[in-house]
Amino acid sequence: EAQVTQNPRYLITVTGKKLTVTCSQNMNHEYMSWYRQDPGLGLRQIYYSMNVEVTDKGDVPEGYKVSRKEKRNFPLILESPSPNQTSLYFCASSSLPGARDTGELFFGEGSRLTVL
Amino acid sequence: KQEVTQIPAALSVPEGENLVLNCSFTDSAIYNLQWFRQDPGKGLTSLLLIQSSQREQTSGRLNASLDKSSGRSTLYIAASQPGDSATYLCAVRLEGYSTLTFGKGTMLLVSP
Repeated sequence: EAQVTQNPRYLITVTGKKLTVTCSQNMNHEYMSWYRQDPGLGLRQIYYSMNVEVTDKGDVPEGYKVSRKEKRNFPLILESPSPNQTSLYFCASSSLPGARDTGELFFGEGSRLTVL
Repeated sequence: KQEVTQIPAALSVPEGENLVLNCSFTDSAIYNLQWFRQDPGKGLTSLLLIQSSQREQTSGRLNASLDKSSGRSTLYIAASQPGDSATYLCAVRLEGYSTLTFGKGTMLLVSP
């Protein structure tokens, strides 16, 4: 089954304690991306990657890091989490444009992070 | 910078009604536009995707249209059902493929 898997789904942590949210896709997609969703602000892009070892900032990258060492994985790293990073996080993936690929974006189930 | 607006922000209708959700965007240099459904506390489920060269897409009771020149897309839901209650989001992908901008969604409630 084609899917994007995020872990953990729920996490409560404290300010300053480094954490990583993993994201893995099994569709051989080149493009992967992270979003955060906040009430009243909607979904905002944090980082994206067009392929292995290629990453770039989205609209709200401050306080986050990513890496793309393998095609299937795109972890989101919070080096020193702060309360304003409390949010619902989504990972997504898609193919790159091509004759047979629509570029449809597939989402993970989300990771709810609370930073105290 | 691309801005995506969805109107209305919330909509409540009785079961059986046909309804239209609106999505507008400011930059018409788009690659595609995708409609999603999100249930409370859940992830996003893709409903329909329209490429920039297309005018509409249909899936079951859903029909999405795209007018790139005017920067508008509509999602038409026929014969609404209580199970359609959810938040509907549109997302616009720019040419160059890198950034994807979401609207804030329309929260739909269909009453039995």
